[in-house]
Amino acid sequence: NAGVTQTPKFQVLKTGQSMTLQCAQDMNHNSMYWYRQDPGMGLRLIYYSASEGTTDKGEVPNGYNVSRLNKREFSLRLESAAPSQTSVYFCASRNLGQNNEQFFGPGTRLTVL
Amino acid sequence: AQSVTQPDIHITVSEGASLELRCNYSYGATPYLFWYVQSPGQGLQLLLKYFSGDTLVQGIKGFEAEFKRSQSSFNLRKPSVHWSDAAEYFCAVGAGGADGLTFGKGTHLIIQP
Repeated sequence: NAGVTQTPKFQVLKTGQSMTLQCAQDMNHNSMYWYRQDPGMGLRLIYYSASEGTTDKGEVPNGYNVSRLNKREFSLRLESAAPSQTSVYFCASRNLGQNNEQFFGPGTRLTVL
Repeated sequence: AQSVTQPDIHITVSEGASLELRCNYSYGATPYLFWYVQSPGQGLQLLLKYFSGDTLVQGIKGFEAEFKRSQSSFNLRKPSVHWSDAAEYFCAVGAGGADGLTFGKGTHLIIQP
């Protein structure tokens, strides 16, 4: 039982390049989330998927797109990366009836030059 | 909209001393409240959570927190800290649905020998 996994762990991009961050969970959770963490800012919600087939914007969605590929996988895409998107990205998942507890992946550290 | 305030950016405590980390939240209904810990370069680990019932909740690693509705607070405490407790601590609030969590900006805990 790996929990929540994220790939890659580290990535360096040039401004304007695109990439997709991958997230998968093996806990059969319904809901999945993408957060970004910046120094002194805590974690901020980018997008979430309440259930397979649905996605919703969070606090800071601009510049990102998401895909809930199936129940296990939730990807985050940067179409044209900007230096302001340099951050650590965390994926999380939860299931109904677990009192809103979210389980987090190890994070992806992204640098945009 | 919900919000979380962690008034202390940094706290320094001597090993063996007691600890209290402050958290104030703003939320219209009864909140789901969480404390997470993050060691350098790592993901987030849940320390404890509150959603109803007893206002004093026990968590892992000897931590506890007390929910005080009248003060909109959920402070984290530990009677005697260990050097391994040095980390970043995040308080978070959530609603009962599939929405994501709202995090505070974090408190960086430094342990002096």
